Amino acid sequence: EVQLVESGGGLAQPGGSLRLSCAASGLTLENYDMTWVRRAPGKGLEWVSYIGSGGTTVFYADSVKGRFTISRDNAKNSVYLQMNSLRAEDTAHYYCARVDYDILTGFSMFYFDLWGQGTLITVSS
Amino acid sequence: EVVMTQSPATLSVSPGERATLSCRASQSVSSSLAWYQHKPGQAPRLLIYGASTRVTGIPARFNGSGSGTEFSLTISSLQSEDFAVYYCQQYYNWPPWTFGQGTKVEIK
Repeated sequence: EVQLVESGGGLAQPGGSLRLSCAASGLTLENYDMTWVRRAPGKGLEWVSYIGSGGTTVFYADSVKGRFTISRDNAKNSVYLQMNSLRAEDTAHYYCARVDYDILTGFSMFYFDLWGQGTLITVSS
Repeated sequence: EVVMTQSPATLSVSPGERATLSCRASQSVSSSLAWYQHKPGQAPRLLIYGASTRVTGIPARFNGSGSGTEFSLTISSLQSEDFAVYYCQQYYNWPPWTFGQGTKVEIK
């Protein structure tokens, strides 16, 4: 079965750190850009971070810039999100998502065609 | 940043009825608009991209339309499995990629 599986969620104290992992099974992530998206309680989806297929192009939402770091290990077919200096407002379900790309051209399509089920991060003292 | 605004926040519909969800962008996003369905405890699912292209395997009752700043998602005859939260997302001007706040489609 083709799926993305997030792990690493849990309870963290304000100012603490967590590292999320997103592992792919049934598919290879190597050619795909990847993103993290979160949904805070009672709120909608919020894009968090993006990493290009090569791992060198990265973007962050202003709300996490300087605190979160996205990375990938194509050999392990995985993407990661290192979360430092956590705040209460980071409490959310975090989803990894694959960015679709055109097989014929190799160009990224920039919408998110496959998502994981998410992992919950709770930041509280 | 492109701000996406969805309406209504909640839509109460009876099974078999038609539902129309709206999405407005604060500036033109051309046709770079996607719709996602999200059910509690599940992975969000891409339904529509390019404003109107249905993903393979998505039932034909889901139809997207619009361009520029005004978009809509119509579910022609709601089935029980369609009750969920629906999000629009622009991917024209990024980063950031931006989502609407969601429309919850609930059983009337």
